[in-house]
Amino acid sequence: KAGVTQTPRYLIKTRGQQVTLSCSPISGHRSVSWYQQTPGQGLQFLFEYFSETQRNKGNFPGRFSGRQFSNSRSEMNVSTLELGDSALYLCASIVRVIKAFFGQGTRLTVV
Amino acid sequence: LAKTTQPISMDSYEGQEVNITCSHNNIATNDYITWYQQFPSQGPRFIIQGYKTKVTNEVASLFIPADRKSSTLSLPRVSLSDTAVYYCLVGEGGGADGLTFGKGTHLIIQP
Repeated sequence: KAGVTQTPRYLIKTRGQQVTLSCSPISGHRSVSWYQQTPGQGLQFLFEYFSETQRNKGNFPGRFSGRQFSNSRSEMNVSTLELGDSALYLCASIVRVIKAFFGQGTRLTVV
Repeated sequence: LAKTTQPISMDSYEGQEVNITCSHNNIATNDYITWYQQFPSQGPRFIIQGYKTKVTNEVASLFIPADRKSSTLSLPRVSLSDTAVYYCLVGEGGGADGLTFGKGTHLIIQP
C-alpha cells in the first residue's frame, strides 16, 4: 500500500497570499488529520476529517480551513498568510487507537 | 489524551541499548500507549503500541508495568540513524483535540 502522500513538499508564499495543501491518505483510510509543526509550538492539531465531514478542530483561527473529498483526499487552505504560518504541515491517516501514519509534510515558508 | 512526561533529551553511543521512560499517571482503562519517532522535516513514524506487559517488534520493545502509570521504550543496539525525537502518546483515540504530542525526547546517538 502506498503511504500518505502530501503535495507539494516545499512552498514559498508571500504575506497576504493564500495557499492550498493536498493530502492523499492510505488507500481505504477515511480519516485524515492535519497538524502544524513549528520549532516553538511543536506539533499542534489543526483538524480531522472523516467521510467528508470535519469531526474535530484545533485552536486555530478561521484563516485555516480544510475539506475532504469523496475519495478521502483532503486539502487544507490558509488564507491571508502571516509570517507565523511558516511551518511544516503534516497530514495523517489515523487507523485506530492513536495509531497514525503521517505523510512527509509540506514545508511552507511565508516571506 | 492522558498527559505524559518524558525526558527532554538523552545521549547514548552506538551499539548501546537505550531506554526512554514515559510517565502517564492518569492513564485510563481504555487507553493504549503509543510511541512515535520523528526525524527533522519528516512526519512522525509509528514505532510501537501496547496496552500492558511487554510488546516487541523488529524495531523496539515496549515495557509496561502492571499499574500502567509508566512505560519504557527500549531500543536495542542503537546506531547513529536512531538520532531523532521520540514521542509517547497515551489514549484511545484522536478525540476532540486530535493526537496530542508533547515535546518528546530528543535522543542523540554518538559514535
